[in-house]
Amino acid sequence: DAGVIQSPRHEVTEMGQEVTLRCKPISGHDYLFWYRQTMMRGLELLIYFNNNVPIDDSGMPEDRFSAKMPNASFSTLKIQPSEPRDSAVYFCASSSLAGGQTDTQYFGPGTRLTVL
Amino acid sequence: QKEVEQNSGPLSVPEGAIASLNCTYSDRGSQSFFWYRQYSGKSPELIMSIYSNGDKEDGRFTAQLNKASQYVSLLIRDSQPSDSATYLCAVTDLGGGADGLTFGKGTHLIIQP
Repeated sequence: DAGVIQSPRHEVTEMGQEVTLRCKPISGHDYLFWYRQTMMRGLELLIYFNNNVPIDDSGMPEDRFSAKMPNASFSTLKIQPSEPRDSAVYFCASSSLAGGQTDTQYFGPGTRLTVL
Repeated sequence: QKEVEQNSGPLSVPEGAIASLNCTYSDRGSQSFFWYRQYSGKSPELIMSIYSNGDKEDGRFTAQLNKASQYVSLLIRDSQPSDSATYLCAVTDLGGGADGLTFGKGTHLIIQP
């Protein structure tokens, strides 16, 4: 299994630009999570989906952030306009309640975002 | 708002000794508790989950839960240099696969050869 795939792995952009992060969950997984990790705040949940439907977006910091999951194999997290305080590592994770390991969220490698 | 507290460390432990990592959480409604390991520059990886009061052992790892004290711990026996990493405590109201996790900021563990 390829695991959770995220792209790009690194992104450097200028303040005010639009940034789109992408995630492909593990095939067959029906839960998808977006997290953000900074030194100051640690690892925080932003939003999660079940069967492509957003369940909890209370962690999305503000209207500049939006997330979509148009199908079971793809999700995007968009920041528009980006600000320097958005600099962080963004992780996507997926899970499934079917079969074994129902308590495990599998994390992707992350996207390191730097906003100048 | 849920909070999970961990000592940031670094916690330095000699090779072969027992490493003890601790975590407290604020929400009494939390039902599921997890320990993730994160190597520098890598993504978190689940190493232990625990749902009931008491101890749960898996190889060199033992997770301990005390819901009355809202306290979770992780013991690593026979510590190895490869155990050097940041250990993240996480909690959730439901099963970890079906709910967003609330993480502590992690404890940086260093195993000294």
